[in-house]
Amino acid sequence: DQQVKQNSPSLSVQEGRISILNCDYTNSMFDYFLWYKKYPAEGPTFLISISSIKDKNEDGRFTVFLNKSAKHLSLHIVPSQPGDSAVYFCAAGLVTQGGSEKLVFGKGTKLTVNP
Amino acid sequence: DSGVTQTPKHLITATGQRVTLRCSPRSGDLSVYWYQQSLDQGLQFLIQYYNGEERAKGNILERFSAQQFPDLHSELNLSSLELGDSALYFCASSVGGSGGILTGELFFGEGSRLTVL
Repeated sequence: DQQVKQNSPSLSVQEGRISILNCDYTNSMFDYFLWYKKYPAEGPTFLISISSIKDKNEDGRFTVFLNKSAKHLSLHIVPSQPGDSAVYFCAAGLVTQGGSEKLVFGKGTKLTVNP
Repeated sequence: DSGVTQTPKHLITATGQRVTLRCSPRSGDLSVYWYQQSLDQGLQFLIQYYNGEERAKGNILERFSAQQFPDLHSELNLSSLELGDSALYFCASSVGGSGGILTGELFFGEGSRLTVL
């Protein structure tokens, strides 16, 4: 059962334009949402996060939007740069009853920014 | 450089064989996580250890096992390998059992690419 879904395996945009990566989740208990970025031959690295009490978090060119009622989040990159070309993983997390933290990742979206 | 070290980077083996993947967490991190990334499944959580003890279990097959040693490095053992086990295996570390992974404090190694022929 895929609790975190990234329905677009790939996305291609022109340099300077906006990139919008989408993510849907099914478990309403998720409280935290994160985006990780992965370059080839490297491990994923944390990009930006948002908690369920917010609907927007911005960090430079990166903004994450959360729509809890729709169980949907999106990552906006403005303006997109060729160096942003990577695989982006959406992740959702919660604290379990036992007190540990659980993080569930989506399958990833490969973003290509063309010069 | 995340500070998480994984060896080997690449491994090619045959079906039915057994391999061991090794991970050294960031200095000071007590928790180690193992993830599998295959083509159609994304990043699948396998297992977590905290200070030598198993903390959480995910989609780990019975043919797979892991442990964390007193020096906090961890090994993932994969046995009776099948073609479908070919994947990238990532190790990640965080400070503690509830070490802020929900706000990005989870650091990944570069992965070990396993190819089973």
